[in-house]
Amino acid sequence: NAGVTQTPKFQVLKTGQSMTLQCAQDMNHNSMYWYRQDPGMGLRLIYYSASEGTTDKGEVPNGYNVSRLNKREFSLRLESAAPSQTSVYFCASSEISGFEGETQYFGPGTRLLVL
Amino acid sequence: AQSVTQPDIHITVSEGASLELRCNYSYGATPYLFWYVQSPGQGLQLLLKYFSGDTLVQGIKGFEAEFKRSQSSFNLRKPSVHWSDAAEYFCAVVKAGNKLTFGGGTRVLVKP
Repeated sequence: NAGVTQTPKFQVLKTGQSMTLQCAQDMNHNSMYWYRQDPGMGLRLIYYSASEGTTDKGEVPNGYNVSRLNKREFSLRLESAAPSQTSVYFCASSEISGFEGETQYFGPGTRLLVL
Repeated sequence: AQSVTQPDIHITVSEGASLELRCNYSYGATPYLFWYVQSPGQGLQLLLKYFSGDTLVQGIKGFEAEFKRSQSSFNLRKPSVHWSDAAEYFCAVVKAGNKLTFGGGTRVLVKP
């Protein structure tokens, strides 16, 4: 099992450009999450999908959209990138929907630089 | 609102010495608490988690953590640090819907 995979690993964008970050998991998990990591702030939840067909906002959703394409894949889209979106983005998944404390498994991250 | 505070941004420890990382939380009810580790350039890996019961929790890689309700703390410890323990460590509390709130992280440097 590859676990949680993310593409690309690194991306440079100019302000105003758009891009989609891809995430896939092969563990048959129901829930998937997108976080961003900024120095000194830990990880903050952007969006999550409790189960296939559902998505919901997290702590910092502004400037992002998501799509739960199927049970395996959960993409994050930046429609018009801004320098404030320079960050490291992590995707995660967990097996059971809505069960507090279910372990989340993280991907290796995508490092995004917006100029 | 729930929050997690890790007071130490950086800690330097000698190889073989003991390590303790502090974590304080604010939460109205009994929290579900986690410690994750992030090695350089990698994603996060779960070290251990606390739900209820025994307040001393054992994790992977020789780590343990103690939940103290009276102090709102969940400190992580390791008796003898190895060079491979150099990493960033995150404490987290879970909210409804299994959403994690993370502390700011503590970066651990290990001196030979």
